[in-house]
Amino acid sequence: AQSVAQPEDQVNVAEGNPLTVKCTYSVSGNPYLFWYVQYPNRGLQFLLKYITGDNLVKGSYGFEAEFNKSQTSFHLKKPSALVSDSALYFCAVRPPGGNTGKLIFGQGTTLQVKP
Amino acid sequence: DGGITQSPKYLFRKEGQNVTLSCEQNLNHDAMYWYRQDPGQGLRLIYYSQIVNDFQKGDIAEGYSVSREKKESFPLTVTSAQKNPTAFYLCASIRTGTNTGELFFGEGSRLTVL
Repeated sequence: AQSVAQPEDQVNVAEGNPLTVKCTYSVSGNPYLFWYVQYPNRGLQFLLKYITGDNLVKGSYGFEAEFNKSQTSFHLKKPSALVSDSALYFCAVRPPGGNTGKLIFGQGTTLQVKP
Repeated sequence: DGGITQSPKYLFRKEGQNVTLSCEQNLNHDAMYWYRQDPGQGLRLIYYSQIVNDFQKGDIAEGYSVSREKKESFPLTVTSAQKNPTAFYLCASIRTGTNTGELFFGEGSRLTVL
């Protein structure tokens, strides 16, 4: 079965330190990969996506993600965390040939950035 | 500004009642989607529609119904047949004509069954 895993329920970092939120996927072929962020009781906001090309993708609010095909991973990173980055982060995958809006989501990772 | 509007933001329902969640978009997107969010489970697809007057079941359609009479609107009805309806419901849309685009989400509707 196709799936997305976010192995950490919560990630804690100090403000100013680098952060990584992990994502691995189990999808055959070359999927499209996405990261979204959700603040409490709000909808999801798009951060970045990998379609093809350079494995390092830059997105909104200083976030970037690294695609690694051999490890089937798409980890979200930021060089210097802000308290305002504290939120729930979702990794999602669109399988090859799939409907454009039918994404497989990970269970989410809560990022807590402490001052 | 273009976007997706969901209403109501919060809704309380007694067991046995049907409720309808509204979703309106002015992004001129053809395709619209309803996802359900439960704590620790990510998002799961309920229904989607790629064109007016057509819609398809997602992974967890049982106990739900939808309609798509207008391009801008995609309401979701949570029926009394849905065994565990308490959840956060998210409506989304996407531009068609390309398969590399991203979903745009509304602000969500939180349904609580009393």
